[in-house]
Amino acid sequence: QQQVKQSPQSLIVQKGGISIINCAYENTAFDYFPWYQQFPGKGPALLIAIRPDVSEKKEGRFTISFNKSAKQFSLHIMDSQPGDSATYFCAATTGGDSWGKLQFGAGTQVVVTP
Amino acid sequence: GAVVSQHPSRVICKSGTSVKIECRSLDFQATTMFWYRQFPKQSLMLMATSNEGSKATYEQGVEKDKFLINHASLTLSTLTVTSAHPEDSSFYICSASGDEQFFGPGTRLTVL
Repeated sequence: QQQVKQSPQSLIVQKGGISIINCAYENTAFDYFPWYQQFPGKGPALLIAIRPDVSEKKEGRFTISFNKSAKQFSLHIMDSQPGDSATYFCAATTGGDSWGKLQFGAGTQVVVTP
Repeated sequence: GAVVSQHPSRVICKSGTSVKIECRSLDFQATTMFWYRQFPKQSLMLMATSNEGSKATYEQGVEKDKFLINHASLTLSTLTVTSAHPEDSSFYICSASGDEQFFGPGTRLTVL
């Protein structure tokens, strides 16, 4: 059973547009929510991460919005570029002994058209 | 950012043989590393937690006798797929625990 639900499964956006990917979780013990970008045949690379005490975090063109009461978080990619075409995974983990034991969403394949 | 390497990047082997995959943290010490498995167009599934100096902890449904994990030092964890079969063909990815989780580039295993 997937502990983190991610949508949509795939997304096509025009160059310059905004890509939005949503994730939801049930386990209120999760306290770290990273987003990863993965290109075919490569390992995931950390994009941006957030903790529940913050409602929004922005790094360059990437923004995480976090809604603790709704147990949802989302990734916004502004001014999407063809080089952003990749699979994006949200994830969650707890602290303590389980730090780093990531539960991944199903992934969203993003295609940015020229 | 921190670098995690994996070796080999891809391996093809015959059914019944064993394959060892190495995961190294290159510029930091990792007391904990994780091994994931990823099938084509699917998400990463955690297989086991590798702890330096102690036994690995396996996720439910992962055969510990088939996927042997050794964490011999603070910078090296190995995953050995024993008596590999075609259904073990997958992309194996490790991560190392620092302030963040840093992933290796993955190892593509193909069992003929």
